[in-house]
Amino acid sequence: GAVVSQHPSRVICKSGTSVKIECRSLDFQATTMFWYRQFPKQSLMLMATSNEGSKATYEQGVEKDKFLINHASLTLSTLTVTSAHPEDSSFYICSAPRPLATDTQYFGPGTRLTVL
Amino acid sequence: KNEVEQSPQNLTAQEGEFITINCSYSVGISALHWLQQHPGGGIVSLFMLSSGKKKHGRLIATINIQEKHSSLHITASHPRDSAVYICAVRRGSNFGNEKLTFGTGTRLTIIP
Repeated sequence: GAVVSQHPSRVICKSGTSVKIECRSLDFQATTMFWYRQFPKQSLMLMATSNEGSKATYEQGVEKDKFLINHASLTLSTLTVTSAHPEDSSFYICSAPRPLATDTQYFGPGTRLTVL
Repeated sequence: KNEVEQSPQNLTAQEGEFITINCSYSVGISALHWLQQHPGGGIVSLFMLSSGKKKHGRLIATINIQEKHSSLHITASHPRDSAVYICAVRRGSNFGNEKLTFGTGTRLTIIP
């Protein structure tokens, strides 16, 4: 069964609103989670590394004030897309490595965001 | 040029055919992952390799560290194997550096 969940699976919002996406590890504690974005017919691009109890690390070109990441517990990381615009429409995926077996990466099912 | 290149980009084959998908990378890596993404978007990790060869059911993955190349093979392909297969590499040698760099994927379609 799934070991990493995401919510919601699909969201449609109006331009200018903020959207929160949750990523949960279901049967293990994840001190680190990764957030990716995938545009149609393109590969995944790492946006940021979410670290429990500390600030997220953002990849070059990703606006930290636009994509707010909070990793408040060992099983939950949230990505908030603030003041969303149509160009933010994308498929957002999180992943988490299992502790002590960090070769194993579990991916969430993804969240499809459409900004009108 | 991408650090991780896959070929072919698209592959259509008849059910039962032997499938090979290739991945080449240009950076030093500590591990290579093969991932499967179904049309709904969900991603499943198939293999993690740092050397040699691994087999799971009809899937076989090999890696040649010297040549910076990996292959994913599917024997006796089936329509349910239709998906996008993604190669991803973990850079660096530090344990715990789990960041992945992804190839552009190979879209596989198996025709009944």
